[in-house]
Amino acid sequence: DGGITQSPKYLFRKEGQNVTLSCEQNLNHDAMYWYRQDPGQGLRLIYYSQIVNDFQKGDIAEGYSVSREKKESFPLTVTSAQKNPTAFYLCASSTGTGVSYEQYFGPGTRLTVT
Amino acid sequence: GIQVEQSPPDLILQEGANSTLRCNFSDSVNNLQWFHQNPWGQLINLFYIPSGTKQNGRLSATTVATERYSLLYISSSQTTDSGVYFCAVTSNYQLIWGAGTKLIIKP
Repeated sequence: DGGITQSPKYLFRKEGQNVTLSCEQNLNHDAMYWYRQDPGQGLRLIYYSQIVNDFQKGDIAEGYSVSREKKESFPLTVTSAQKNPTAFYLCASSTGTGVSYEQYFGPGTRLTVT
Repeated sequence: GIQVEQSPPDLILQEGANSTLRCNFSDSVNNLQWFHQNPWGQLINLFYIPSGTKQNGRLSATTVATERYSLLYISSSQTTDSGVYFCAVTSNYQLIWGAGTKLIIKP
């Protein structure tokens, strides 16, 4: 059945290592998004992509990188330049790229960096 | 940019009670969504409601776009309704999020 998958659910890394979070969708959505959520806070946009091979920075892109080589996939790399990488990361996709659309979310990845 | 404010920030109720959550936004918007984040972090779409009223079981939502607010009603609360409720509005292809209302339903 259709949906958004993120893997892994929990991820542990040592400081100084890059780590890549997976996001796959089989909803045939054009647009995909990455958000970060810290404890007790709302969501903040890291990157978004409205079409394959194109992506834009969100509000907190520093220390992160993305790629969009396939419509179904939008992996996020948390680089060693990200000062506080420990957080809950949520991927989303939407039906369109216009201003009236609905976003759907994956189950999230909890990243802990020590 | 658009500001989104939710109230109350926290709400504790007994099972069976009704509740109303409010979302105010500072400018006209093209859409508004309500989400429920469960204790495991999963965000569940509740309503896509740029205007008007929608109902889904014990939940309903009303958005009055001209007055820049939306209300989420939960009737006959159950413990599984606990979690954080977010509203989010669209601006420049991005969702702008409120800070959420944390709801605790006691048995």
